[in-house]
Amino acid sequence: DQQVKQNSPSLSVQEGRISILNCDYTNSMFDYFLWYKKYPAEGPTFLISISSIKDKNEDGRFTVFLNKSAKHLSLHIVPSQPGDSAVYFCAAAGSGGSYIPTFGRGTSLIVHP
Amino acid sequence: NAGVMQNPRHLVRRRGQEARLRCSPMKGHSHVYWYRQLPEEGLKFMVYLQKENIIDESGMPKERFSAEFPKEGPSILRIQQVVRGDSAAYFCASSSNRGSNQPQHFGDGTRLSIL
Repeated sequence: DQQVKQNSPSLSVQEGRISILNCDYTNSMFDYFLWYKKYPAEGPTFLISISSIKDKNEDGRFTVFLNKSAKHLSLHIVPSQPGDSAVYFCAAAGSGGSYIPTFGRGTSLIVHP
Repeated sequence: NAGVMQNPRHLVRRRGQEARLRCSPMKGHSHVYWYRQLPEEGLKFMVYLQKENIIDESGMPKERFSAEFPKEGPSILRIQQVVRGDSAAYFCASSSNRGSNQPQHFGDGTRLSIL
């Protein structure tokens, strides 16, 4: 029973183009969403987050969009750089008792020079 | 850079042995979380501890697994009588406060291999 789903295991993008990573969730109690980035043999690193009261949050090249009605969020990276190649995890947490984030399975992004 | 420190980075055990994984949270953090990542899967929550207390252990198997976070020293995840299925990467994270809007800071994990 996956409450947070990242349906694309991998994504390949050319350097300079936009990378769009998608995430769907099923639990309507989730009200805070996070993206983590993970390099091989390292732990996940927090990237960006968004509260359910917003529909967009931007930090430099990274923007997260939230569509609550569709229970869908996406991470946009513009422009993509080879150093962005990593596994990206979507996570969701809720104040309704389940404040510990639930993680998706991750999407492996490869940015080609 | 006093980030989350986990040791050992790699641990090899034979079936039936005990595995002890250690985690020192970031300076100033008193909330510790343990996750397990199986190959090709995401991070699965195991247990959440605050100093000397287990707050939520809903993700931890009822048998063979235990965790502690003593007043002094690191948090310990202990697996007794390990089996092949325990082979995974175990990540520890810490945060300064409890709450869904508090990003967790992760260590680099312990890769446990069971022979």
